[in-house]
Amino acid sequence: GAVVSQHPSRVICKSGTSVKIECRSLDFQATTMFWYRQFPKQSLMLMATSNEGSKATYEQGVEKDKFLINHASLTLSTLTVTSAHPEDSSFYICSARETGRGDQPQHFGDGTRLSIL
Amino acid sequence: DAKTTQPNSMESNEEEPVHLPCNHSTISGTDYIHWYRQLPSQGPEYVIHGLTSNVNNRMASLAIAEDRKSSTLILHRATLRDAAVYYCILRGENYGGATNKLIFGTGTLLAVQP
Repeated sequence: GAVVSQHPSRVICKSGTSVKIECRSLDFQATTMFWYRQFPKQSLMLMATSNEGSKATYEQGVEKDKFLINHASLTLSTLTVTSAHPEDSSFYICSARETGRGDQPQHFGDGTRLSIL
Repeated sequence: DAKTTQPNSMESNEEEPVHLPCNHSTISGTDYIHWYRQLPSQGPEYVIHGLTSNVNNRMASLAIAEDRKSSTLILHRATLRDAAVYYCILRGENYGGATNKLIFGTGTLLAVQP
């Protein structure tokens, strides 16, 4: 089945550091990928839609200069949390759907737990 | 995005069937009904989806009401590994448009007792 790999699975770093999270579709191509954030005991919140070869589309209230998204190829999207602060600590999850398969489900990575000290 | 309503939590006993309800009274004709589940500290996992007819796969069955205003996810024999948050989500199949997004509600936390 379709697999989405997310790396790293856990990051602990100091305040002010920028952190990059990678999302790869391992056995399919994905023109569109999605980035979510989840705080403890809450549901997933969609942050942005990542589009291969073009700018990401951010949801209302998400700072695009804070959360930089690059979708450089049909199998890789990256999310960079710039100058991270403790309030950015969260569980970040990406998902992807196979290009041209609009009727198919999205496949999710296992998430990245980000802890900012 | 059309909204869904699910109970906050449900309990089941191991090896018994579980029926997880979902109401979606504002569903549009092109909205698919998707179910995902999320185990603790993991990303969501696809369970099943359907449009009008009931669907079966190796994980579960999806029963869709005739008017499509509600659906039920059926786990035929619950195991301890089925304990998770189950999300019912409507998604339009506009392949190139914004309705491809999955917007998660609060879901149903399923507890399975041994």
